Amino acid sequence: AQTVTQSQPEMSVQEAETVTLSCTYDTSESDYYLFWYKQPPSRQMILVIRQEAYKQQNATENRFSVNFQKAAKSFSLKISDSQLGDAAMYFCAWGNNNAGNMLTFGGGTRLMVKP
Amino acid sequence: KAGVTQTPRYLIKTRGQQVTLSCSPISGHRSVSWYQQTPGQGLQFLFEYFSETQRNKGNFPGRFSGRQFSNSRSEMNVSTLELGDSALYLCASSLEASGTYGYTFGSGTRLTVV
Repeated sequence: AQTVTQSQPEMSVQEAETVTLSCTYDTSESDYYLFWYKQPPSRQMILVIRQEAYKQQNATENRFSVNFQKAAKSFSLKISDSQLGDAAMYFCAWGNNNAGNMLTFGGGTRLMVKP
Repeated sequence: KAGVTQTPRYLIKTRGQQVTLSCSPISGHRSVSWYQQTPGQGLQFLFEYFSETQRNKGNFPGRFSGRQFSNSRSEMNVSTLELGDSALYLCASSLEASGTYGYTFGSGTRLTVV
């Protein structure tokens, strides 16, 4: 079974600064996908960024980028130029084709952004 | 295009009752997954339907069931409600059989069991 661990229950960042959220996972699969989801108070989970395990290049979406270390089974999210609207719960998730559309989520990190 | 729609947004039920939650996926999406979110257990997978067939089921008792209709809309049912069933229930839809490109979530149904 896969496990996903987010070791930081809460993080705080100053507006316009950079913050990195950590995620580690454990799997015996070689082909899988990793995701970061954002859950604001509105409750809707919003896909922030995705990474395919076979790709060595780290994914980037505007101010969001990942540091994917496959051997270390690490998948951290970097948010640059933090904005007040980035304040939310962030969840790391694992999935693969063998699991169908079942995602395994980490416990989440609450990000606070200080003005 | 419209997102994933879950109804109702809030629900209060009494122990022992049953409840049905509804999820309308994005048009054209054939896969619908359900998750339970609680402060203690986090996000846990309930089940997934693709083209009206249940493909995966999480580790939940038989009181939790679901189905998918030919228009891809899905419902989940919880019978004989217990206090511990109080949670946010999230539905996610995906275009493909695999979640290669991620999933679009709804805003959830907040179920409170009293």
